[in-house]
Amino acid sequence: ETGVTQSPTHLIKTRGQQVTLRCSSQSGHNTVSWYQQALGQGPQFIFQYYREEENGRGNFPPRFSGLQFPNYSSELNVNALELDDSALYLCASSPRDGFRETQYFGPGTRLLVL
Amino acid sequence: GENVEQHPSTLSVQEGDSAVIKCTYSDSASNYFPWYKQELGKRPQLIIDIRSNVGEKKDQRIAVTLNKTAKHFSLHITETQPEDSAVYFCAASRTGANSKLTFGKGITLSVRP
Repeated sequence: ETGVTQSPTHLIKTRGQQVTLRCSSQSGHNTVSWYQQALGQGPQFIFQYYREEENGRGNFPPRFSGLQFPNYSSELNVNALELDDSALYLCASSPRDGFRETQYFGPGTRLLVL
Repeated sequence: GENVEQHPSTLSVQEGDSAVIKCTYSDSASNYFPWYKQELGKRPQLIIDIRSNVGEKKDQRIAVTLNKTAKHFSLHITETQPEDSAVYFCAASRTGANSKLTFGKGITLSVRP
């Protein structure tokens, strides 16, 4: 069984640019959630995708958007990057229906905005 | 919305001693409570979880207890080892369609050899 994978591992962007982060869910998992983890803090929920539709969103502006594909992989897109967007971005996948709250994390993408 | 708080923020114990980490939550509708361990530069790893229909759950050296009335839950680690040193996060969530995890700020556990 393959765990959750994310790409790239590290990324450096400048303010105002756009970025796309990718996540492949664990085999057999159909739900993907995205979190932002600032240094020294706990992960903050961005949004969740279930069956290719957004299913819940945290307190993040519309410039944070996402997609889920038929194979359950997912993308997080951030437009008009700001310095405060520098963080570790984690995705987590959940087993099929009935246990969406049980979430297994990928290794994350560390984004630095200069 | 849900608010999760962890106490203390740091904890140092001698190898072999027990460690207890406490969390409180605010949303009475939350009914799923996982604990994650995060080592430096690594992903949060789910180590144990508990649902609201259970008061206690054990897995080898770790256990979690839940008090729904008081809205708090605790992680217990017995016979601590240096490899238990990490940041531990508690979280709370509703189940099903509203299953977003709300995390505490984390506790740094140091196990002294």
